[in-house]
Amino acid sequence: AQKITQTQPGMFVQEKEAVTLDCTYDTSDQSYGLFWYKQPSSGEMIFLIYQGSYDEQNATEGRYSLNFQKARKSANLVISASQLGDSAMYFCAMREGPGGYQKVTFGTGTKLQVIP
Amino acid sequence: GAVVSQHPSWVICKSGTSVKIECRSLDFQATTMFWYRQFPKQSLMLMATSNEGSKATYEQGVEKDKFLINHASLTLSTLTVTSAHPEDSSFYICSARVSGRGNQPQHFGDGTRLSIL
Repeated sequence: AQKITQTQPGMFVQEKEAVTLDCTYDTSDQSYGLFWYKQPSSGEMIFLIYQGSYDEQNATEGRYSLNFQKARKSANLVISASQLGDSAMYFCAMREGPGGYQKVTFGTGTKLQVIP
Repeated sequence: GAVVSQHPSWVICKSGTSVKIECRSLDFQATTMFWYRQFPKQSLMLMATSNEGSKATYEQGVEKDKFLINHASLTLSTLTVTSAHPEDSSFYICSARVSGRGNQPQHFGDGTRLSIL
């Protein structure tokens, strides 16, 4: 079974509009972390936002917010006021595992294109 | 913020040669570093977890003798692709996490594009 599922291979959004990128996860751990990364065409991975499994409030970082629904095991990324520079691949990731044996699994990604 | 440097960023070499990729944490200590491989338009696939002072933990299907990992210090991990062949051509990217801070994200290097002719 997939640990991280991103069902949207590609998304288009009009500049200045908001967009939601979907992510669902599967884990039996009680303690885990969820991340979103952005990967532009140049290849580097840029950390956007983090949500811990015990965090009661949804994480926010500037124009990025994470819609965390624990019971549904979803962690959707919301980008508000899209900009042309937001065009990139977006990966949802989950960290699980005990102590020094933690590892991170990535979803298949969503390619976001912002239209002027 | 935490910075991870990866070198080289691009390498082209002949089939049969070995290639070493370095991953350095510049301003923090990293007990654990991770090596990923990414094929075009695909996700990052974890190859191995590199632990300072001990043997790396490889994911299923990753050849230990093919992809040698050394993590000799808290700031440096190396991945050596031995006897590289064209099918080893890929984008390799490392990451590191600040030691002892489980809720912190992994910080990624800029990746290495490896092309084997």
